[in-house]
Amino acid sequence: EAEVAQSPRYKITEKSQAVAFWCDPISGHATLYWYRQILGQGPELLVQFQDESVVDDSQLPKDRFSAERLKGVDSTLKIQPAELGDSAMYLCASSIAGAHNEQFFGPGTRLTVL
Amino acid sequence: TQLLEQSPQFLSIQEGENLTVYCNSSSVFSSLQWYRQEPGEGPVLLVTVVTGGEVKKLKRLTFQFGDARKDSSLHITAAQPGDTGLYLCAGAGGSNYKLTFGKGTLLTVNP
Repeated sequence: EAEVAQSPRYKITEKSQAVAFWCDPISGHATLYWYRQILGQGPELLVQFQDESVVDDSQLPKDRFSAERLKGVDSTLKIQPAELGDSAMYLCASSIAGAHNEQFFGPGTRLTVL
Repeated sequence: TQLLEQSPQFLSIQEGENLTVYCNSSSVFSSLQWYRQEPGEGPVLLVTVVTGGEVKKLKRLTFQFGDARKDSSLHITAAQPGDTGLYLCAGAGGSNYKLTFGKGTLLTVNP
């Protein structure tokens, strides 16, 4: 069964360092999402791609976060510099664009900033 | 901004009991989805409801979408320890059918 792949699964870093997360969506899914989930909360959208274009990055802290999906397939989310408050689960999801917007999530990357 | 309120936030029950989780909003959604998330994993889609008043059953789980498409409920019959997890509702709306997630209900089913 097709799945969304993410790596790494876990990342521990010190504040002010740079970190990067990778996501490979389900083949054929044109829409890709990055979410941040703080413990005890629901996921919050950081950025949405349609193919290689950003369609929503209104909640992305652009002073330190960046995301790209250069060939419209896999994607990278970067944080530089990391801050203590960035500790969270970072989830990638993909979907076939449509009104129901059923999204399929990867296993996530658990980030701990020390 | 569309908000989804889930209740209860935490629920701890014994195996075999029934339970209902609620998801409420003042906004209308084009569809509503329920996900289950286990610790350290990503959410897994359980069901999508689209039509007001729609009821869907998935084994011991029954999902209902409110007539006005603003609220939903999840009922579990004879809960089992394998049902333990974080249950998230998410509504699709807006120009990009953006998903808005609730904060979730953390369910623990004790053997």
